[in-house]
Amino acid sequence: DAGVIQSPRHEVTEMGQEVTLRCKPISGHDYLFWYRQTMMRGLELLIYFNNNVPIDDSGMPEDRFSAKMPNASFSTLKIQPSEPRDSAVYFCASSPGQVSNQPQHFGDGTRLSIL
Amino acid sequence: GENVEQHPSTLSVQEGDSAVIKCTYSDSASNYFPWYKQELGKRPQLIIDIRSNVGEKKDQRIAVTLNKTAKHFSLHITETQPEDSAVYFCAAPRQLTFGSGTQLTVLP
Repeated sequence: DAGVIQSPRHEVTEMGQEVTLRCKPISGHDYLFWYRQTMMRGLELLIYFNNNVPIDDSGMPEDRFSAKMPNASFSTLKIQPSEPRDSAVYFCASSPGQVSNQPQHFGDGTRLSIL
Repeated sequence: GENVEQHPSTLSVQEGDSAVIKCTYSDSASNYFPWYKQELGKRPQLIIDIRSNVGEKKDQRIAVTLNKTAKHFSLHITETQPEDSAVYFCAAPRQLTFGSGTQLTVLP
């Protein structure tokens, strides 16, 4: 089991640029989550998918953020245009069943710095 | 919406002492309560969880207790060791909300 795989591990870019974060969930997991972690706001849920369908995107900060899951083994989180306040660690996680009674498995995260 | 409060935000203990972290939740329909450990620069990892049909669960030096009436659950770490130093998060209800985290420092 390779675990949840995220790429890139680190991203440094200038404000205004487009940023794409990628995630491969654990095979067989039906749920996929995107989180943002900062010192000020802690661990925030941005969006989650069930069977590739977005279920709750109420945590997506604004229209600059978008997420897709074209198939069961791949998801992207895109920020366009990026701003310095988007700097954070972004985690992807997957879960084998209903989020209400199954643990989440986190990837190693992408540390994003917007200059 | 769902809410969870975690206390304390920081906790320092001497090696060998016990540590207790508490979370209070608002959604009475919740029935699954996990705890995650995040070491510096690493990802959160599940360390123990409990379902509402039991009041306590233990795994070596770690235990979780649940009081559904009072809507709180606690993480207990006994005989703490330096490698227990990390940030601990509870998640509830329904895991869409995480507590604000507790920075545990075990002093040698």
